[in-house]
Amino acid sequence: EADIYQTPRYLVIGTGKKITLECSQTMGHDKMYWYQQDPGMELHLIHYSYGVNSTEKGDLSSESTVSRIRTEHFPLTLESARPSHTSQYLCASSAWGGTEAFFGQGTRLTVV
Amino acid sequence: ILNVEQSPQSLHVQEGDSTNFTCSFPSSNFYALHWYRWETAKSPEALFVMTLNGDEKKKGRISATLNTKEGYSYLYIKGSQPEDSATYLCAPVRDSNYQLIWGAGTKLIIKP
Repeated sequence: EADIYQTPRYLVIGTGKKITLECSQTMGHDKMYWYQQDPGMELHLIHYSYGVNSTEKGDLSSESTVSRIRTEHFPLTLESARPSHTSQYLCASSAWGGTEAFFGQGTRLTVV
Repeated sequence: ILNVEQSPQSLHVQEGDSTNFTCSFPSSNFYALHWYRWETAKSPEALFVMTLNGDEKKKGRISATLNTKEGYSYLYIKGSQPEDSATYLCAPVRDSNYQLIWGAGTKLIIKP
């Protein structure tokens, strides 16, 4: 079983609020990712990290930011949530090379 | 950006029947291809990571083949069972930075 955890699982929040989605893994993986997925659509990479103090934006433009201060922790922050941010957010990690990715259970975010 | 196409988008199969679906991707700069199974309310889980042209992998009743020259992979399920109901995602890997590029998936529903 994969050791990667996301909290919260579900979040309903008002417009303008600041939110942080948590992601932690205990596998010692250097590579971590955040994906955004809308129903029936592809997973879109919004942020990734190759190690501590390394963060990059993915293919899909996002107003969120990430940090990687510790290997095991890769939180995603939205400074001011908007209804357009309503989506599912998935965190994943992997070892180096083209090895398999391990996913958290996702956070389903609804901004009202 | 790689274009990944999975077909069909959804599939209803009678329990006990065998089925297969396709992942198509540009053949240039190929590094690896991943297949994942994503059951409702769970995390995506890796089925196979394939790298060599002509590769064939098997896990129980599920198998996959890879053609890197023409840019496609097939996933086969023999004797479908209700627990096979899930969305099956494929993701080729870019060779430049090992990023996964996701298809939209094939949603498989097994009818009892």
